Amino acid sequence: GAGVSQTPSNKVTEKGKYVELRCDPISGHTALYWYRQSLGQGPEFLIYFQGTGAADDSGLPNDRFFAVRPEGSVSTLKIQRTERGDSAVYLCASSLSGLSSYNEQFFGPGTRLTVL
Amino acid sequence: DAKTTQPPSMDCAEGRAANLPCNHSTISGNEYVYWYRQIHSQGPQYIIHGLKNNETNEMASLIITEDRKSSTLILPHATLRDTAVYYCIVRVAGNNRKLIWGLGTSLAVNP
Repeated sequence: GAGVSQTPSNKVTEKGKYVELRCDPISGHTALYWYRQSLGQGPEFLIYFQGTGAADDSGLPNDRFFAVRPEGSVSTLKIQRTERGDSAVYLCASSLSGLSSYNEQFFGPGTRLTVL
Repeated sequence: DAKTTQPPSMDCAEGRAANLPCNHSTISGNEYVYWYRQIHSQGPQYIIHGLKNNETNEMASLIITEDRKSSTLILPHATLRDTAVYYCIVRVAGNNRKLIWGLGTSLAVNP
């Protein structure tokens, strides 16, 4: 079946611009996560959705970052007034919600954001 | 969640077993050990997880020491496609919690 997809795969923008990054999770997965990854580093947690609501947004670095998941499926990560330091690969993952001890997270290929 | 320590890089000959160590000396009783890997330019991929018993699946084996302070991920017959960064993560089980990632081990499988 289809995995997690992310669009665009690459985004180049100028400092100060607004960008939106989209994530399509695996069908039926109620949990959705956003991470970002800088070169040579492990992924860094940003936000986690359970259904439509943000269950944990403790990783969002500041109020320029915002994410939505209005219908509990597709999610959009929005970055306002982009800065050069926002350049990274933005990863999306989804997982099932259930009673098992662990639901593995399935990752998309990421969106590479470059802020000039 | 407990912190993990992994060597920054390792090499392995193709066809041989790759043994990737992870130290998690501050692990608590309800924390699991998870392994993910990330092939260049791809998203991370789940490999295996365990609590205290050794685990095996189609991808790898996970050996956890009796005191649970360290573990080893074993790829029994490494191939060139196993070249990736391998991340060991320790966290409490429970649905849908975030993963806290370290720097991982960059494994190079050589022909």
